[in-house]
Amino acid sequence: DSGVTQTPKHLITATGQRVTLRCSPRSGDLSVYWYQQSLDQGLQFLIQYYNGEERAKGNILERFSAQQFPDLHSELNLSSLELGDSALYFCASSVGQGDNSPLHFGNGTRLTVT
Amino acid sequence: DAKTTQPPSMDCAEGRAANLPCNHSTISGNEYVYWYRQIHSQGPQYIIHGLKNNETNEMASLIITEDRKSSTLILPHATLRDTAVYYCIVRARGRDTGRRALTFGSGTRLQVQP
Repeated sequence: DSGVTQTPKHLITATGQRVTLRCSPRSGDLSVYWYQQSLDQGLQFLIQYYNGEERAKGNILERFSAQQFPDLHSELNLSSLELGDSALYFCASSVGQGDNSPLHFGNGTRLTVT
Repeated sequence: DAKTTQPPSMDCAEGRAANLPCNHSTISGNEYVYWYRQIHSQGPQYIIHGLKNNETNEMASLIITEDRKSSTLILPHATLRDTAVYYCIVRARGRDTGRRALTFGSGTRLQVQP
């Protein structure tokens, strides 16, 4: 158990809809990362927050957004969903954002868009 | 960012040591080498990381060559539960925090045989 909690574990929705994925980082971790894993793309970095502020963006679509709240939990919002958005979405957290600070991943949310 | 090269797949007998190689010939002097594994569709699990010296923890040992151009992850006594995809990652440094987010390649699929 990494200590990172993601909810829900599974989500099935229709095209055009909007969903919110939630992540609670490990106790004491200030940095949260979101990743997407689809069958044909592998693990792709989406976005990072540190202590409530956005710090880095990866391959995140404009239809996707995220935020980190004062209690350090984070939410990833996916809107105008398309079939291609079906994937595993992982959240990871780390104590800091330095290179010597490992990321610890949750077990993900499996999103299915029908 | 320094790229890594790993064999796509490896087999190992249960109870024997599993030695997973990784080539990172373009690594910079202050970039860390990280190892993660992913079992089926679970979240990536942190194993170990190092900079220059060899490292050991309760899960594995990391051997980094003196020129830092390659490394080997050693699982001393592989079990069936070690069957997974293993990722070797060079973590970029610099002020751009986006470059410091872990970039996953395709990894090595380790199959531990009974």
